[in-house]
Amino acid sequence: ELKVEQNPLFLSMQEGKNYTIYCNYSTTSDRLYWYRQDPGKSLESLFVLLSNGAVKQEGRLMASLDTKARLSTLHITAAVHDLSATYFCAVLPTQGGSEKLVFGKGTKLTVNP
Amino acid sequence: NAGVTQTPKFQVLKTGQSMTLQCAQDMNHEYMSWYRQDPGMGLRLIHYSVGAGITDQGEVPNGYNVSRSTTEDFPLRLLSAAPSQTSVYFCASSYGGASTDTQYFGPGTRLTVL
Repeated sequence: ELKVEQNPLFLSMQEGKNYTIYCNYSTTSDRLYWYRQDPGKSLESLFVLLSNGAVKQEGRLMASLDTKARLSTLHITAAVHDLSATYFCAVLPTQGGSEKLVFGKGTKLTVNP
Repeated sequence: NAGVTQTPKFQVLKTGQSMTLQCAQDMNHEYMSWYRQDPGMGLRLIHYSVGAGITDQGEVPNGYNVSRSTTEDFPLRLLSAAPSQTSVYFCASSYGGASTDTQYFGPGTRLTVL
């Protein structure tokens, strides 16, 4: 059974600082998603990572995937208040046609002025 | 395009009542799914469908039924609501499924079971 763990679960940081959110998973996978959720809202897709070494960047967010370590990171550069949200990683296991996406518990990010 | 729509937005039920959460999409997506989100738990897959007439169980299917008679609609039925089903429910869709495409999520239904 696939387990997905995010660290940290809560993150409070100051504007202008850098930080990294980690997503570890327990079985083989070659497709990993990152989503953002604002309070009381739905989920918005940020990145999809498809292969070992994949790196995607959008603004102050950069996501990477290491399939051998079963690890994805979401790096925040020079945080701004607008990035305050909950970030989820979601992993699709590599097992014959699986469509069962497994989510981490989420990292609630608060960026303080 | 309205995208993925869900009704109702909020619902309060008494234990034992039944209801159907509606989900519709106008993007001609084959894949649709239902998740529940509980505090501190992330999202958990309830049921999913890879096309009209085809459904399968997710991680937490007990207490829920689904059917997919059209490409556009994927209702979620609670036959006898229990307090443990208090949650926020999200419907999602994509053209090719989680194995090929990013999913688009609806706005959610907040359900309280007393």
